[in-house]
Amino acid sequence: GIQVEQSPPDLILQEGANSTLRCNFSDSVNNLQWFHQNPWGQLINLFYIPSGTKQNGRLSATTVATERYSLLYISSSQTTDSGVYFCAAPAGGSNYKLTFGKGTLLTVNP
Amino acid sequence: NAGVTQTPKFQVLKTGQSMTLQCAQDMNHNSMYWYRQDPGMGLRLIYYSASEGTTDKGEVPNGYNVSRLNKREFSLRLESAAPSQTSVYFCASSEYSSAVGYGYTFGSGTRLTVV
Repeated sequence: GIQVEQSPPDLILQEGANSTLRCNFSDSVNNLQWFHQNPWGQLINLFYIPSGTKQNGRLSATTVATERYSLLYISSSQTTDSGVYFCAAPAGGSNYKLTFGKGTLLTVNP
Repeated sequence: NAGVTQTPKFQVLKTGQSMTLQCAQDMNHNSMYWYRQDPGMGLRLIYYSASEGTTDKGEVPNGYNVSRLNKREFSLRLESAAPSQTSVYFCASSEYSSAVGYGYTFGSGTRLTVV
């Protein structure tokens, strides 16, 4: 099945700094998702980004499908950005079967 | 509030006991999912229901059964709990639209401990 690898595994920032999180995937995909899990465990779907670039406030995501990677940019980070960021891609071509990466743990200090 | 509601939030079971985790969504989504999350790992799919009346196995289905009771409700049953099933369980629902693609909404999770 598809392999989804995220880097870095951990990241510590000061409030106001920018960061880039990377997601590499082993097969061609038509569905790439980014999720945020806050420190209390709640999961939020940030982006559906099979290709191209999308922006939502201080967050943006870019997927280069031909090179099998996606990037999540966080600008002017805030303490509320802390948590784990996951990317996920379909396993076996089924959009119902997402394979998740192990995540990047982001800590933003005041 | 619209969303996905899971019950219970916490549960402790003894090995061999059975239980059902309940999940309901009020967003009229067609697809529903059960995931488990273990420490230091991403989510792993247990079962999913692409639409009412259908269910299919995910990555880690052994030891679990599911029922899509209607469009709103999707339950997960552990027939004979084992310590390896200690985990946090998340229910989710999704719908595809041309505007936003696949959008997922997650419940708040059930923390299950099997002793």
